[in-house]
Amino acid sequence: GEDVEQSLFLSVREGDSSVINCTYTDSSSTYLYWYKQEPGAGLQLLTYIFSNMDMKQDQRLTVLLNKKDKHLSLRIADTQTGDSAIYFCAELGGSQGNLIFGKGTKLSVKP
Amino acid sequence: ETGVTQTPRHLVMGMTNKKSLKCEQHLGHNAMYWYKQSAKKPLELMFVYNFKEQTENNSVPSRFSPECPNSSHLFLHLHTLQPEDSALYLCASSHPSAGNEQFFGPGTRLTVL
Repeated sequence: GEDVEQSLFLSVREGDSSVINCTYTDSSSTYLYWYKQEPGAGLQLLTYIFSNMDMKQDQRLTVLLNKKDKHLSLRIADTQTGDSAIYFCAELGGSQGNLIFGKGTKLSVKP
Repeated sequence: ETGVTQTPRHLVMGMTNKKSLKCEQHLGHNAMYWYKQSAKKPLELMFVYNFKEQTENNSVPSRFSPECPNSSHLFLHLHTLQPEDSALYLCASSHPSAGNEQFFGPGTRLTVL
């Protein structure tokens, strides 16, 4: 079955890099996504990557995809306190174009 | 602002009440979704609509009844809910473009007493 796994917590110091990891099971997924959810808010799309790419960079965000190992990571450079949130990995895997989400990784940034 | 709005943002209801959640998207998308977000669980897909037609009902109990009158509006009608239905209900929309990105509303925080 389809499954997306993430570690639940990550704590870093302000200014350091954060790396959030995700594994997925559906090798036919064409797109993989990272969403951010701040307290009391909905999900904000951060970035996505097509499965034929192995890296995508967007300002402070770097997405790495290892399709062989079905491993996706999100690196946030120069992490700020405003980056504290829950980060969800998702794959486009449903039969109706829906997304399959992980449980989310709670990123805490300490000053 | 993602272009997807949801009302109300918070709702408290008793088990015998009937209420409706509303979602509206201003993005010209043709697909709309309802997800349920409960504590410590992944987001669960509930319903999918494509061009106003329901194409997915992910084994959702009949006490949840969706309605999609047009491509821009989506409702979730609630009746005789249970306390375990308390959760954040998120609406999303998408267009089958290259990335098929889904844009989410802020959610309705539902508490069933």
